[in-house]
Amino acid sequence: DQQVKQNSPSLSVQEGRISILNCDYTNSMFDYFLWYKKYPAEGPTFLISISSIKDKNEDGRFTVFLNKSAKHLSLHIVPSQPGDSAVYFCAASVIPTGNQFYFGTGTSLTVIP
Amino acid sequence: DGGITQSPKYLFRKEGQNVTLSCEQNLNHDAMYWYRQDPGQGLRLIYYSQIVNDFQKGDIAEGYSVSREKKESFPLTVTSAQKNPTAFYLCASSSGTSSYEQYFGPGTRLTVT
Repeated sequence: DQQVKQNSPSLSVQEGRISILNCDYTNSMFDYFLWYKKYPAEGPTFLISISSIKDKNEDGRFTVFLNKSAKHLSLHIVPSQPGDSAVYFCAASVIPTGNQFYFGTGTSLTVIP
Repeated sequence: DGGITQSPKYLFRKEGQNVTLSCEQNLNHDAMYWYRQDPGQGLRLIYYSQIVNDFQKGDIAEGYSVSREKKESFPLTVTSAQKNPTAFYLCASSSGTSSYEQYFGPGTRLTVT
């Protein structure tokens, strides 16, 4: 049973525009969320996190928004760059249970120059 | 340079053979994890360990075994009981306390024929 879902397998965006990647979860106990970026045949790289006490977290071009009532989070990349082309995973956890994170299936982002 | 190393990057084995994947970290992290990634799927947790000499099963532990004799090392053995061992295997670590982000190694692609 997939507790974290990324319903868009792929997304294409023009360079300079905004990329919005979405993630939905079913477990209302999740209280910590991460976004990772992954290139083929490499390990994921941590991008940004958010805890459930916040609804927004920014780091440079990356912003994550959390809507707890909708059990939805999104990653905004502004402006998008060709180097952002990768697969993006969201992950969720209930922190006190030992850092077991549940990952979505990923969204492949292509930024077109 | 602190980081996580996995070796080898590519591994080929015949069906029926056990194989051990190496994972080493010099980040002084307490927690370590093993994930499996299959095409079109998210990362699925195989085993994790929060302290030396202790480990817990993840969602797909059947056919795998681990050990955690040293803080720096968390090897994964794929046994002949694992029905579909061909996959991309990722090792990760986290401090487990001060921050929850998991940092990943480059992965090992295992092919069993």
